[in-house]
Amino acid sequence: SQQGEEDPQALSIQEGENATMNCSYKTSINNLQWYRQNSGRGLVHLILIRSNEREKHSGRLRVTLDTSKKSSSLLITASRAADTASYFCATDVTGTASKLTFGTGTRLQVTL
Amino acid sequence: EAQVTQNPRYLITVTGKKLTVTCSQNMNHEYMSWYRQDPGLGLRQIYYSMNVEVTDKGDVPEGYKVSRKEKRNFPLILESPSPNQTSLYFCASSPPRRGTEAFFGQGTRLTVV
Repeated sequence: SQQGEEDPQALSIQEGENATMNCSYKTSINNLQWYRQNSGRGLVHLILIRSNEREKHSGRLRVTLDTSKKSSSLLITASRAADTASYFCATDVTGTASKLTFGTGTRLQVTL
Repeated sequence: EAQVTQNPRYLITVTGKKLTVTCSQNMNHEYMSWYRQDPGLGLRQIYYSMNVEVTDKGDVPEGYKVSRKEKRNFPLILESPSPNQTSLYFCASSPPRRGTEAFFGQGTRLTVV
């Protein structure tokens, strides 16, 4: 089953601009995680936000979570060409990352 | 270096020819999973394992088998591959603590003709 739906499907911005991606999900969760994937390669964990948290920061990343709306957003500030990748949200109902449910992903293109 | 290793990275096979994709992790993680990734569908879980000899179905288990005889290894078996199993496969592992992330392998691109 597809828990998370992401919006937009694709995003193209210039270097230095901010990129915002949104994720919606359907059921109660323990936490929500964001992953990055470079062109068909493995996924790399970016940030995790617990269900009792509303906002979290890590470097240029800012994640928000609204459990009442079952939605999350990922903001990448001052984007760089190296940020070009696909970004996926993943919901975790167990809290152990043993059974993640992924969204469909947002493809981000950052141009010089 | 902590990692999840999958082999092979690329595989082209014919319909019906049994194959195994191996996955090994060196982080002593209890939990391991297999996902498949298809365009427009994101990643979907095939099977997962909570520990040695403990496995359970994910969202798309049909046509796949797994085994967990050792903690570090979690092979994915396709007994009779079909073209609709052409996909990009990922193995992942995670430790048994709450609020943790998953660590992914580099992926296996499988083509069944």
